[in-house]
Amino acid sequence: ETGVTQSPTHLIKTRGQQVTLRCSSQSGHNTVSWYQQALGQGPQFIFQYYREEENGRGNFPPRFSGLQFPNYSSELNVNALELDDSALYLCASSSDRATEAFFGQGTRLTVV
Amino acid sequence: GENVEQHPSTLSVQEGDSAVIKCTYSDSASNYFPWYKQELGKRPQLIIDIRSNVGEKKDQRIAVTLNKTAKHFSLHITETQPEDSAVYFCAASMWTSYDKVIFGPGTSLSVIP
Repeated sequence: ETGVTQSPTHLIKTRGQQVTLRCSSQSGHNTVSWYQQALGQGPQFIFQYYREEENGRGNFPPRFSGLQFPNYSSELNVNALELDDSALYLCASSSDRATEAFFGQGTRLTVV
Repeated sequence: GENVEQHPSTLSVQEGDSAVIKCTYSDSASNYFPWYKQELGKRPQLIIDIRSNVGEKKDQRIAVTLNKTAKHFSLHITETQPEDSAVYFCAASMWTSYDKVIFGPGTSLSVIP
């Protein structure tokens, strides 16, 4: 098992609400990437944080935002939830000393 | 931006046979190609990766080949076992300190006992 943990594991929200997902990176890792994985599809890159700064963003609207804290843990915030936001949200941590990224177990978000 | 295609989308093989999954990428600047295995309800796990300075890498029953000129890479699993059944994702990125990884759409592999 990796040292990357995500919370909560499951979440149900209503359309229009806001949600915050959390990720604790593996010890020694300073980079966190967030991915959205819809059912039956590959993970889609949302954005990446390196040393508390956003460092690259995929094709996601501004209502997807994030933060990285001094301990390199991270949050993903999604405003104005839509039904299509229902997915598994994965974070992956890595180090600038190595390329390999380790995934957390994910947060399953259901928007109803 | 980078785009990664992956084929086939589903693959069924008899136990003991080989399985091959092929991927192509669009960004010639990509130089790091990991492969992930994702079992149902679990996180993606790195099974093997290759960097652009080598053409082939092997780890027991798993091997990956890379053709930079053609911009394609492949995963080969020999002597397949039922526990190899999972969804496999190829991916591409730049081997810098902190670049995003672009995933292919996945291949669902079923190994029939």
